Amino acid sequence: QKEVEQDPGPLSVPEGAIVSLNCTYSNSAFQYFMWYRQYSRKGPELLMYTYSSGNKEDGRFTAQVDKSSKYISLFIRDSQPSDSATYLCAMIHTGGFKTIFGAGTRLFVKA
Amino acid sequence: DAGITQSPRYKITETGRQVTLMCHQTWSHSYMFWYRQDLGHGLRLIYYSAAADITDKGEVPDGYVVSRSKTENFPLTLESATRSQTSVYFCAAGTGKETQYFGPGTRLLVL
Repeated sequence: QKEVEQDPGPLSVPEGAIVSLNCTYSNSAFQYFMWYRQYSRKGPELLMYTYSSGNKEDGRFTAQVDKSSKYISLFIRDSQPSDSATYLCAMIHTGGFKTIFGAGTRLFVKA
Repeated sequence: DAGITQSPRYKITETGRQVTLMCHQTWSHSYMFWYRQDLGHGLRLIYYSAAADITDKGEVPDGYVVSRSKTENFPLTLESATRSQTSVYFCAAGTGKETQYFGPGTRLLVL
């Protein structure tokens, strides 16, 4: 079993929809949780990071962490065609530097 | 502000040759990382560095060597390239392990 599981999709939604992207993990030692966006043939771009359970909002993006369920989510409100990309979750253990990435979810937002 | 640059962007080499991938940051961030990205495996950490002259292994370090004599540079060397090292390589830098900013990547093909 992988430490971090992420549905690869693809996920296709109409413009303006609310998008929910999710990851589950098995190791309770994960302390840092990040979301990246990666466009085709580009490097990953950091969207958000958080340390604790609860919600963190930044513009149209909301990151949610539920440590008791070992589940994290990224919500995108008012999705735009420019949001079409692969979204990667990532996690780091307590006291360490080794970053574990999910496989990524491909998102398509149709105009 | 260039951020992170990687060179070369594309490289073709032969099995057994030594190859060095360059990574340069303009921010002077303490932390730097090298990843490889492969279909089916996602992003995997090869090596990381917390500061100049401090490096440590990540998830897949075998066959790779790094050095960090200056804060802004973090070269990755494949001592004797193998076909299994064909991949896209990303360098990242950040002020903390949770804030990793990625470069554009180097596409390496080993024949």
